[in-house]
Amino acid sequence: DIQMTQSPSFVSASVGDRVTITCRASQGIRGMLAWYQQKPGKAPRLLIYAASSLQSGVPSRFSGSGFGTDFTLTISSLQPEDFAIYFCQQGYSFLTFGPGTTVDVK
Amino acid sequence: QVQLQESGPGLVKASQTLSLTCSVSGDSLSRGGYYWNWIRQHPGRGLEWIGNIIYSGTTSYNTSLKSRLTISLDMSKNQFSLNLSSVTAADSAVYYCARGVAAVADLDYWGQGTLVTVSS
Repeated sequence: DIQMTQSPSFVSASVGDRVTITCRASQGIRGMLAWYQQKPGKAPRLLIYAASSLQSGVPSRFSGSGFGTDFTLTISSLQPEDFAIYFCQQGYSFLTFGPGTTVDVK
Repeated sequence: QVQLQESGPGLVKASQTLSLTCSVSGDSLSRGGYYWNWIRQHPGRGLEWIGNIIYSGTTSYNTSLKSRLTISLDMSKNQFSLNLSSVTAADSAVYYCARGVAAVADLDYWGQGTLVTVSS
C-alpha cells in the first residue's frame, strides 16, 4: 500500500501569510495527487487535482505542484476562511490520504 | 449540480452489519468515467478510504476491510450501498460517500457524512 505523509502537522499563521504544506508518497505516484480542505463538521472540499490543477470555484491563491513522490500546496495570501485542515490524497494505487495539516490562527 | 446523500442507522450493535446507502442526484451511476466511493473518518482523525464501485459493478476495497466489506449498486434507484459486517467499536466513524473522477483519481463531490456509532 502507498503511504502518504504530510508536514508540518500544524501551522500557525496570520491573515496575509504565505503557507506551504508538503506531502510525500512512499513510492512514485506520477501526478495522481489531490488536495482537500476540511472545516469542522463538514465534508472535505476538493481544491487541487492532478497535483497542480485548480478545481472549479477554488480561489487562485491556492496552488499545487510536484510529481513523483513530493508535492506541495501553497496558499499565497492566507484569508480568514482558509483556517482549516488540509489533506493530500493519492490516486495512483487505490486511494490513500495523508494525515492532515491544521492551519490555525497565530 | 451533483449531490450525494448518505442514509442509514446511526447506531449499530457490535458484531452486526453496518449498512449505509448513498443516493445520487444530478448524475447517473451508469455513466462511465466515474467511480463511487465510501470514505470514513474517525472522530478527530484522518480520512480512510473504504472502497469503491464503478458502473459495471466492479469493486475495489481497502485491503484492511476487504474480508468484511461489500459495496453494491442499485441503478434503478441511482444509489450505491455499503455493508460492513462484524463491526466493532473501531468502526465508529463519520461515513462519507463521494464521486471519484477516474482520469485523475480525485473525489470531486461528497455527501455531508453520517455518524455511525457501534455500541456494545
